Amino acid sequence: DSGVTQTPKHLITATGQRVTLRCSPRSGDLSVYWYQQSLDQGLQFLIQYYNGEERAKGNILERFSAQQFPDLHSELNLSSLELGDSALYFCASSVGGFDTEAFFGQGTRLTVV
Amino acid sequence: SQKIEQNSEALNIQEGKTATLTCNYTNYSPAYLQWYRQDPGRGPVFLLLIRENEKEKRKERLKVTFDTTLKQSLFHITASQPADSATYLCALRGGAGNNRKLIWGLGTSLAVNP
Repeated sequence: DSGVTQTPKHLITATGQRVTLRCSPRSGDLSVYWYQQSLDQGLQFLIQYYNGEERAKGNILERFSAQQFPDLHSELNLSSLELGDSALYFCASSVGGFDTEAFFGQGTRLTVV
Repeated sequence: SQKIEQNSEALNIQEGKTATLTCNYTNYSPAYLQWYRQDPGRGPVFLLLIRENEKEKRKERLKVTFDTTLKQSLFHITASQPADSATYLCALRGGAGNNRKLIWGLGTSLAVNP
């Protein structure tokens, strides 16, 4: 158990809908990262928050947004969903930045139908 | 553009042998490189981080090398066991400022046969 909790584990939704993925980081970790993993593209970094503030941005679509709350949990909002958004979404946390060990959650498998 | 390449073909080896996985990169000068293990349907698990001024790093049966001239990292598992079967990912820090991020290879699948 990594100590990072993601909910829900599975999500099936229709195109055009909006969903929210939730992440609770390990106790004491200030950084939260969101990743998307598909079979053909591997792990794609979406966004990083550090202590409530956006720290780095990757390949995150404009239809996607995220935030980190004062208690350090984070949410990733995906809207106007398309079939191509079907993927595993991982949250990870670490004490510091990219050069510190990241602990990954079990992921949320999103299926858009 | 910045690119990371890992062996796309699965690696099959016999239990007890040494597995060697390769990570090559282009258009980078990364300060460090990380290796992770991922089992099917699960999140990656951190194994080792090696910095640009370190040639080699070891942890139990794992060894990582980092050659910034060749732009290559090798990941070795000695005395391999069936439990080592998994996909192994390498990742490097790319970008700068607000555009910095970890860039990941697609991974190499390792199967250790008893």
